[in-house]
Amino acid sequence: DAKTTQPPSMDCAEGRAANLPCNHSTISGNEYVYWYRQIHSQGPQYIIHGLKNNETNEMASLIITEDRKSSTLILPHATLRDTAVYYCIVRVYNNAGNMLTFGGGTRLMVKP
Amino acid sequence: GAVVSQHPSWVICKSGTSVKIECRSLDFQATTMFWYRQFPKQSLMLMATSNEGSKATYEQGVEKDKFLINHASLTLSTLTVTSAHPEDSSFYICSALPRFSYNEQFFGPGTRLTVL
Repeated sequence: DAKTTQPPSMDCAEGRAANLPCNHSTISGNEYVYWYRQIHSQGPQYIIHGLKNNETNEMASLIITEDRKSSTLILPHATLRDTAVYYCIVRVYNNAGNMLTFGGGTRLMVKP
Repeated sequence: GAVVSQHPSWVICKSGTSVKIECRSLDFQATTMFWYRQFPKQSLMLMATSNEGSKATYEQGVEKDKFLINHASLTLSTLTVTSAHPEDSSFYICSALPRFSYNEQFFGPGTRLTVL
């Protein structure tokens, strides 16, 4: 699986949009971009995933650049409960039971 | 839906004893479950991949005789830490891949193991 690079930490004001970047310059054509988050002392939670089109769900939006070498996770209106470590993972989408390889992630601190 | 539970949520044991951690998919069947370990302020590290009815596949550096994994049914996988030592103290997390999906894994809440 392609390696990802994320900033180790970010701050965001409550109510503002949180934009979390991820670089995956070695991503291959059949690899998807996944985002998970982990709130302190809990298991990771799936947020969103995409291949090349931008995606949106009730939690967040995922913007993938045209060359797919980077992406941005957007939390449109961050709340204090969004404080967590956010992991960007790229992996193949198939039925081989692929494991997820977690990098360092970005520790997002939402402040009042 | 898609809930994964772990039991116990935390455990404290003496050095040399064995500890069993259960991972259950409550409302779906999972042919594949994964076990991760997470030390404080570090990321999750995959320990092993568990497939129902077959032997687990361990990641490099993970001792299969120390971390026994049993995936006896489509809804239950167990991790037994044998002869636990203080360095085994960690946060153990499982995840389950739904039987007919390779979209997202669902994670359990984790089990915090402290070995005295």
